[in-house]
Amino acid sequence: QKEVEQDPGPLSVPEGAIVSLNCTYSNSAFQYFMWYRQYSRKGPELLMYTYSSGNKEDGRFTAQVDKSSKYISLFIRDSQPSDSATYLCAMPQGGSEKLVFGKGTKLTVNP
Amino acid sequence: EAGVAQSPRYKIIEKRQSVAFWCNPISGHATLYWYQQILGQGPKLLIQFQNNGVVDDSQLPKDRFSAERLKGVDSTLKIQPAKLEDSAVYLCASSLDWSGAGTDTQYFGPGTRLTVL
Repeated sequence: QKEVEQDPGPLSVPEGAIVSLNCTYSNSAFQYFMWYRQYSRKGPELLMYTYSSGNKEDGRFTAQVDKSSKYISLFIRDSQPSDSATYLCAMPQGGSEKLVFGKGTKLTVNP
Repeated sequence: EAGVAQSPRYKIIEKRQSVAFWCNPISGHATLYWYQQILGQGPKLLIQFQNNGVVDDSQLPKDRFSAERLKGVDSTLKIQPAKLEDSAVYLCASSLDWSGAGTDTQYFGPGTRLTVL
């Protein structure tokens, strides 16, 4: 079992839709949870970062963590064509800066 | 603030040839990372430097890959000899410091896309 599992999609939605992206993880030692966004032919950029269980909101983006289920989600409200990218979940291994990434979910928002 | 710079952006080589990638991190960033991203996969850490010392190289195939970070600034990653399965994007990232908790934001460069024929 991989440490971090993420459905690679692809996911295609119309503009304005609510998007849900998810990851599961197996290592209960993971304490921090990150979402990176990667545009085509670019490096990943940190989108959101959360530590505790519950929700964290930033504009149209909401990150949700359920540590009891080892499940994290990223919701995008009122999705825009500019949100079209690959979304990667990532978690640092305990006691280090080593990030373990999911495979990424490719999202396309159609105008 | 200038971002992480990488060169070349693209490289095509034959198998068994050697290749080198260069990375210039964000000014003042102590920690530098090299990741390998195979098509359809998330990035995988190859090596992490804190200043010019290696913190983690557990996933670096040391029989063919080498990396150095002279003077704690720029870094080069070398592959010699290259194999077909080395075809990937090689990403360099940097972070301000090393907290050991995984909380320092890593800033990624655009990557070098390597194709091995």
